[in-house]
Amino acid sequence: DIQMTQSPASLSASLEEIVTITCQASQDIGNWLAWYQQKPGKSPQLLIYDATSLADGVPSRFSGSRSGTQYSLKISRLQVEDIGSYYCQQAHSNPWTFGGGTKLELK
Amino acid sequence: EVQLVESGGGLVQPGRSLKLSCAASGFTFSNYGMHWIRQAPTKGLEWVASISPSGGSTYYRDSVKGRFTISRDNAKSTLYLQMDSLRSEDTATYYCATEITTPFFDYWGQGVMVTVSS
Repeated sequence: DIQMTQSPASLSASLEEIVTITCQASQDIGNWLAWYQQKPGKSPQLLIYDATSLADGVPSRFSGSRSGTQYSLKISRLQVEDIGSYYCQQAHSNPWTFGGGTKLELK
Repeated sequence: EVQLVESGGGLVQPGRSLKLSCAASGFTFSNYGMHWIRQAPTKGLEWVASISPSGGSTYYRDSVKGRFTISRDNAKSTLYLQMDSLRSEDTATYYCATEITTPFFDYWGQGVMVTVSS
């Protein structure tokens, strides 16, 4: 199985701050990577797909990047509505696997 | 508008069975793969099972193989998850999801809670 190692597990940041979350894949997955946001008590929502493409309706302050087998999600200017948990997911090989999650809180 | 509505959750004793349903609307159900993903309380997301648009191909995570069965009724636009021989570690919120505009989980239901406990 492909392991997705996500860091940090938790993060406290201030409004308007730049936030970066990373995921390391245990093997090459190409661009078969997505990022999801889950607000408290809600279902996950797709933010980024194909490693760098913004999903419909997602604000442009979110962006994804890739360097080899390391993937990053960046929030350029943190807003209060961005608080929640974030997960990466690989869709290269079955079983589809998720990172352990990052809980983002306001400082 | 795409809608996925899960039902059938509840409290069940270890070793017993439960069947989840996911009613889909707002898209041509028979054209898309469907998935079940779960989340144990305070834990992360875990893919459970997937089914092809026709239902001819199914995929499971190892820990549920032989116990869970994913199926679909395209005439009713409904996805199912038959869960047998339930264990305490199956306790989770179960989400159905699909992949309409991207090859990822781009639409999710609201989730249904399954608690396995004596």
